[in-house]
Amino acid sequence: AQRVTQPEKLLSVFKGAPVELKCNYSYSGSPELFWYVQYSRQRLQLLLRHISRESIKGFTADLNKGETSFHLKKPFAQEEDSAMYYCALRPGATNKLIFGTGTLLAVQP
Amino acid sequence: SQTIHQWPATLVQPVGSPLSLECTVEGTSNPNLYWYRQAAGRGLQLLFYSVGIGQISSEVPQNLSASRPQDRQFILSSKKLLLSDSGFYLCAWRLRQGKDNSPLHFGNGTRLTVT
Repeated sequence: AQRVTQPEKLLSVFKGAPVELKCNYSYSGSPELFWYVQYSRQRLQLLLRHISRESIKGFTADLNKGETSFHLKKPFAQEEDSAMYYCALRPGATNKLIFGTGTLLAVQP
Repeated sequence: SQTIHQWPATLVQPVGSPLSLECTVEGTSNPNLYWYRQAAGRGLQLLFYSVGIGQISSEVPQNLSASRPQDRQFILSSKKLLLSDSGFYLCAWRLRQGKDNSPLHFGNGTRLTVT
């Protein structure tokens, strides 16, 4: 079955500390993976996608097919990074996007 | 530019009453449309998606249904609400273009409380 797992419901770090939000997926084909973010009182929005290999707001995520992971990382957390983060999988050439349960990142001053 | 409208923002309905949530998209044609439910501890659950007028794919068996009477209109309905239908409902759209990895664009959501 196609599934996205985010094992941490809450991740609390101090400002300036490194951040890693974990995401594992279950899919036998070639996945397309995304990270979405929801800041307080804002809409859920795309943060980055693996196919672009981009860095957005200092965040990066590398697809590891061997470990079926797509962890989100940032070397130095900022208070404005506090938000809910969702990992998402688009299985192959389908039209649906499957989300994980989300991780709430809280960056303490 | 494209915009997505979802209403109402909040809704309180008694058990057994009907439901109709509406979502419209402006500024694009032939979008893929989606209904998600966001529940605490369960993340975003895909309920329905549509690739065209009258075409609805259901992802989970439930008390809800969806319809797409027009290209940019997506409606979530129920004939008789259950307590378990309470939650936060999100509508989203995505460009439909070739070998796409275009992102989802979400609405502001509807908070439904069934009492």
